[in-house]
Amino acid sequence: AQSVAQPEDQVNVAEGNPLTVKCTYSVSGNPYLFWYVQYPNRGLQFLLKYITGDNLVKGSYGFEAEFNKSQTSFHLKKPSALVSDSALYFCAVRDMDTGRRALTFGSGTRLQVQP
Amino acid sequence: KAGVTQTPRYLIKTRGQQVTLSCSPISGHRSVSWYQQTPGQGLQFLFEYFSETQRNKGNFPGRFSGRQFSNSRSEMNVSTLELGDSALYLCASSFSDRSHEKLFFGSGTQLSVL
Repeated sequence: AQSVAQPEDQVNVAEGNPLTVKCTYSVSGNPYLFWYVQYPNRGLQFLLKYITGDNLVKGSYGFEAEFNKSQTSFHLKKPSALVSDSALYFCAVRDMDTGRRALTFGSGTRLQVQP
Repeated sequence: KAGVTQTPRYLIKTRGQQVTLSCSPISGHRSVSWYQQTPGQGLQFLFEYFSETQRNKGNFPGRFSGRQFSNSRSEMNVSTLELGDSALYLCASSFSDRSHEKLFFGSGTQLSVL
């Protein structure tokens, strides 16, 4: 079975400071990893994904994520946070070897960026 | 290009009733997935359709069903509603059924069961 853990319910950071939202995963095969963001009363928006290749993935709005196979982690990062980044962030995984298409999501991390 | 459209946006039903939710995917997308989002359980996969065929199904009771039409539009039906079915139901589409493809989500249908 595949699973995703987001250990922090909320992350608080000051505007202009770097931010990290943590994610670890578990799959039996090789993972496809995704980050999505959800703003109030909206659906999820895709930020970035890791398929294969370079462990550092760059995505939308200046976000990036680093795939670490040995630590089974895929942490989301941004060098300088904006107040507008405040939202709910979800990490998700698919096992590329099982062919199972369902995305398994983490419980979400609420990012609060203070002015 | 229009995004994923879900209707209705809000729905209030009472226990025992049934409900049908609708989803129009992005033009050209043939895969439609449904997810349930609740504060307690988070995001849970319901089912996925591709070219009118159900490809995957999550761990939900048979009261939850869906279908996809030839134009890729999808509907989800919940019969004999229970209080615990109150949730945000999200539809997502993608061009193909390949596993590395990202999903495009609609804004969801907020279902309240009284």
